[in-house]
Amino acid sequence: NAGVMQNPRHLVRRRGQEARLRCSPMKGHSHVYWYRQLPEEGLKFMVYLQKENIIDESGMPKERFSAEFPKEGPSILRIQQVVRGDSAAYFCASSPPGKVASPYEQYFGPGTRLTVT
Amino acid sequence: GQSLEQPSEVTAVEGAIVQINCTYQTSGFYGLSWYQQHDGGAPTFLSYNGLDGLEETGRFSSFLSRSDSYGYLLLQELQMKDSASYFCAVRDDKIIFGKGTRLHILP
Repeated sequence: NAGVMQNPRHLVRRRGQEARLRCSPMKGHSHVYWYRQLPEEGLKFMVYLQKENIIDESGMPKERFSAEFPKEGPSILRIQQVVRGDSAAYFCASSPPGKVASPYEQYFGPGTRLTVT
Repeated sequence: GQSLEQPSEVTAVEGAIVQINCTYQTSGFYGLSWYQQHDGGAPTFLSYNGLDGLEETGRFSSFLSRSDSYGYLLLQELQMKDSASYFCAVRDDKIIFGKGTRLHILP
């Protein structure tokens, strides 16, 4: 049973470009969460999605950031017009159906390390 | 406001026992979770406490006191591979992670 998959593992973008980060949840999981982590910092919740629905995006910056989890395919975190401050590790996590949005038993992917030059 | 407080660093000796505390201040509460993260790695779920008391999983135990808004992670028989960062996390109206406690283990 494959775990949570994220790609790319490393992504380099120049200022002003777009970054697309992909996340495939564990098989059977229907909840996806995105987090951002700066060096030496904790995880900061960004968004919680179920298939075709954004449930909670209270942690997402209002501009340039968007997320989706389509009926088919992976969840996508999209960052438009990236700036140096967007450089961070972005982790996706998934949890099984039937559990409300909670840090309880989330399974994390390996993360995408975004570097903006 | 919402906050989780945990020590930034803890140092212990191989084979010893260490306790990592977490206090939280949230308007709602849906349980306390703990995660381990090695440098460059992904967080890994360790334990969850929804009710007061102690939960034991092998060398790791976690405790919760809702009346004190306090919990801790206890690691026994420390091994060098336990050197990592440990995060507590709660859900209020959104999911909140602490800033993490970096555990250093001395041989």
